Amino acid sequence: DVKVTQSSRYLVKRTGEKVFLECVQDMDHENMFWYRQDPGLGLRLIYFSYDVKMKEKGDIPEGYSVSREKKERFSLILESASTNQTSMYLCASSLKVGTGYEKLFFGSGTQLSVL
Amino acid sequence: RKEVEQDPGPFNVPEGATVAFNCTYSNSASQSFFWYRQDCRKEPKLLMSVYSSGNEDGRFTAQLNRASQYISLLIRDSKLSDSATYLCVVTVYNQGGKLIFGQGTELSVKP
Repeated sequence: DVKVTQSSRYLVKRTGEKVFLECVQDMDHENMFWYRQDPGLGLRLIYFSYDVKMKEKGDIPEGYSVSREKKERFSLILESASTNQTSMYLCASSLKVGTGYEKLFFGSGTQLSVL
Repeated sequence: RKEVEQDPGPFNVPEGATVAFNCTYSNSASQSFFWYRQDCRKEPKLLMSVYSSGNEDGRFTAQLNRASQYISLLIRDSKLSDSATYLCVVTVYNQGGKLIFGQGTELSVKP
């Protein structure tokens, strides 16, 4: 079974800190995604990547950056954390679009609190 | 207007009831459709894909109406374990194939 692992389940950081959220998948998926989920707003796409060293902005990339140096790992970086980035962050991976199979596999999420 | 819209609920139904959720999407170029289920404090998981001809998986039936741009999910004989949030998901290929999520519909099945 596909496994998507996020490094932390809960994280508390201070305003202005640089924050790294790590995500690793073990199924050789080309696509990886970072979402945030907030009550009443649903899941919103921050960044996604279709290949190593490739990244595309999602709907809300401001305040975030990403890194994909290896196929299995996709990191989300908050350069200077702010309180409005307090949220549940979900990483996901999927097979390459075009295979006709786009099932997303999610990690268990990281609840980030910025104080 | 949101690209994918759902009634957030909550839908409170008794065990054994039949319940239906609708989801509307705004982009006519949308090509793939899914229902995901998310339990409280858990990650979303794929429940079922939605095909043009409609499809059924046990107690669950999904339907697509391209002309009216909505999809539906019908749950028959509700179980307590069906209590969750149901997320409507749409893929738009002219936006790089990214998946767009609705905000979810909460279902609570009571004894």
